[in-house]
Amino acid sequence: GAVVSQHPSWVICKSGTSVKIECRSLDFQATTMFWYRQFPKQSLMLMATSNEGSKATYEQGVEKDKFLINHASLTLSTLTVTSAHPEDSSFYICSARDRDSTNEQFFGPGTRLTVL
Amino acid sequence: GQNIDQPTEMTATEGAIVQINCTYQTSGFNGLFWYQQHAGEAPTFLSYNVLDGLEEKGRFSSFLSRSKGYSYLLLKELQMKDSASYLCARAGNNRKLIWGLGTSLAVNP
Repeated sequence: GAVVSQHPSWVICKSGTSVKIECRSLDFQATTMFWYRQFPKQSLMLMATSNEGSKATYEQGVEKDKFLINHASLTLSTLTVTSAHPEDSSFYICSARDRDSTNEQFFGPGTRLTVL
Repeated sequence: GQNIDQPTEMTATEGAIVQINCTYQTSGFNGLFWYQQHAGEAPTFLSYNVLDGLEEKGRFSSFLSRSKGYSYLLLKELQMKDSASYLCARAGNNRKLIWGLGTSLAVNP
């Protein structure tokens, strides 16, 4: 149980385009999902907290107009990187928390974004 | 990470035991997690401690002392596949996880 999927696993795009990443909880309902970014050899950096049916809460320094988050259902959250630039190239990881659990977060496999 | 300290790198030998320490800020504490992360992959859950003491799970054990703001992850009978980054994370009042920078463990033959 507690499986989280992400799609796509990797994506290469041109500078200026937008990329959408999906995060799904497959066998549980997630009222809260988290979006992280991780650069090589660095720790996870929380970008935003996504709550079902409400606006996402962004961490300081993260542009909400550039990283659009939609949590339309209890099993799906999406992150759209708008007008991507090479510096947005990173490993994007989502996690989900079962609404009935404690604090444990279940991680998706991650999405490797490369912007040319 | 925010007030979470763990060593940057450690090296150990196959078959040995290694202890990875983590200290954290105690205010608003709601549990301590350990995750394992292999290069290029997402973190995988190892353990969760919310009460003091040692939790054993196979070759891996995790210890917590809430009064000292201290935890450690103990890995026994090390295997080459245990070479990875080990992340310590604290759950706060707002239920977000605050992550340490991770300890990169290299297991040598």
